[in-house]
Amino acid sequence: AQSVTQPDIHITVSEGASLELRCNYSYGATPYLFWYVQSPGQGLQLLLKYFSGDTLVQGIKGFEAEFKRSQSSFNLRKPSVHWSDAAEYFCAVVGGGATNKLIFGTGTLLAVQP
Amino acid sequence: NAGVTQTPKFRVLKTGQSMTLLCAQDMNHEYMYWYRQDPGMGLRLIHYSVGEGTTAKGEVPDGYNVSRLKKQNFLLGLESAAPSQTSVYFCASRGTGDSNQPQHFGDGTRLSIL
Repeated sequence: AQSVTQPDIHITVSEGASLELRCNYSYGATPYLFWYVQSPGQGLQLLLKYFSGDTLVQGIKGFEAEFKRSQSSFNLRKPSVHWSDAAEYFCAVVGGGATNKLIFGTGTLLAVQP
Repeated sequence: NAGVTQTPKFRVLKTGQSMTLLCAQDMNHEYMYWYRQDPGMGLRLIHYSVGEGTTAKGEVPDGYNVSRLKKQNFLLGLESAAPSQTSVYFCASRGTGDSNQPQHFGDGTRLSIL
C-alpha cells in the first residue's frame, strides 16, 4: 500500500538559515508527489508538485524539492527561511486508481526563531 | 475567485446532534473529497466523489454520510455526532485529466462535539 512518512514532527530554524524537510514515500510505480503548506487557521496551499521529468522542482515562495527515486524521497528545501514560513508542511502522494486520492504524511511543524 | 468554499467555519455541537457541512466549488471540478485533520495524523480521507450523483468511502467513513446532488456541491453529514468526531474538516476538489493535477482545498470547518 502507498504511504508517506515525514520523520520530523517539529523543526525549529533561525530566520535566514537554510531548511530541509524530509519526506519518504512508498509507491510501486512512478509517483505523483506534492508538498502543501498550511498556515495557522488556514487551508492547504500547494507549494509544488512532481510527476515526471526534471527531478528538481521549483515551487512558490522560494521553495524547491528534489525527487530521488533511489532513496524514495522528495525532500523540501529553502535556502533562506523567512519568519512568514512558519507553518505546517505536508507531503502527499497520489494513491493511484481512477480516484486520484491523496495520501498525506503526518506533517512537519516549522517554527522560525528570530 | 472563490475556489473551494466551506460553511460553516466553526461549529459546536452536543453529542447526538446532527449537522451538515457544505462544500462548494466554482471550478467545474469532477472530483471532490472530504478529509478530517487530527493532531499528529495528517489528513485522512472520509468520503469522496468522482462526479455528480456518485460517492464512495474513503479511509475513515464510519459515522459520516455524503451527497453530491449537484456537481458544484459536496455535503458531509453527521447523523449523531460523537466526541471522537471533534476535528477540523477539509474539503478539496480537482479536475479530471492527469493525476498530477493538484487538489484545491477549502479553509476548513472546525467542529467541536461536547
